Amino acid sequence: DAGVIQSPRHEVTEMGQEVTLRCKPISGHDYLFWYRQTMMRGLELLIYFNNNVPIDDSGMPEDRFSAKMPNASFSTLKIQPSEPRDSAVYFCASSFTDRGHQETQYFGPGTRLLVL
Amino acid sequence: GQQLNQSPQSMFIQEGEDVSMNCTSSSIFNTWLWYKQDPGEGPVLLIALYKAGELTSNGRLTAQFGITRKDSFLNISASIPSDVGIYFCAGLGYGGATNKLIFGTGTLLAVQP
Repeated sequence: DAGVIQSPRHEVTEMGQEVTLRCKPISGHDYLFWYRQTMMRGLELLIYFNNNVPIDDSGMPEDRFSAKMPNASFSTLKIQPSEPRDSAVYFCASSFTDRGHQETQYFGPGTRLLVL
Repeated sequence: GQQLNQSPQSMFIQEGEDVSMNCTSSSIFNTWLWYKQDPGEGPVLLIALYKAGELTSNGRLTAQFGITRKDSFLNISASIPSDVGIYFCAGLGYGGATNKLIFGTGTLLAVQP
């Protein structure tokens, strides 16, 4: 299994530009999570999906952030317009429900975003 | 967002030493997890704990789910250089939410050969 795949691995952009981060979860997993990691705030859950439906987006910082999951094998996190304070590592993770447990979240390698 | 209090923040030890770190919360969790993050990578699950008082081992790693359900401990015995990384605790089940992980602030471990 290839694991969770994220692209791009690195992104450098200028303030005001649109940024799109992509994630392919592990095949067969029914949950997908987007996290952001910074030195100041640690690992924060932004949004998660179950069976392609957004369940909780209370961690999304503001309206500039949006996430979609058009099918079971693909999700995007979009920032428009981007700002320097959005610079962080963005992780995608997926998991499956097994006998009521879905705590084993498998993380992707992350996208390192730098907004100048 | 909420974070769990994890200590120590960092540890610098000699190879062969044992390591202990802990995580505390003011809230109850139903599941406690321990992850390790290597530089440039995402967190990887080490141990999962499902019951208060549970003690679980994974090789040289041992973790315990606190009896109050508000804390957890991770011990690493006979540390080796590849143990270097950031260790995160995570709690699941806060406020009845069954799918949201709350992460600790992390413990940076450095092991000198």
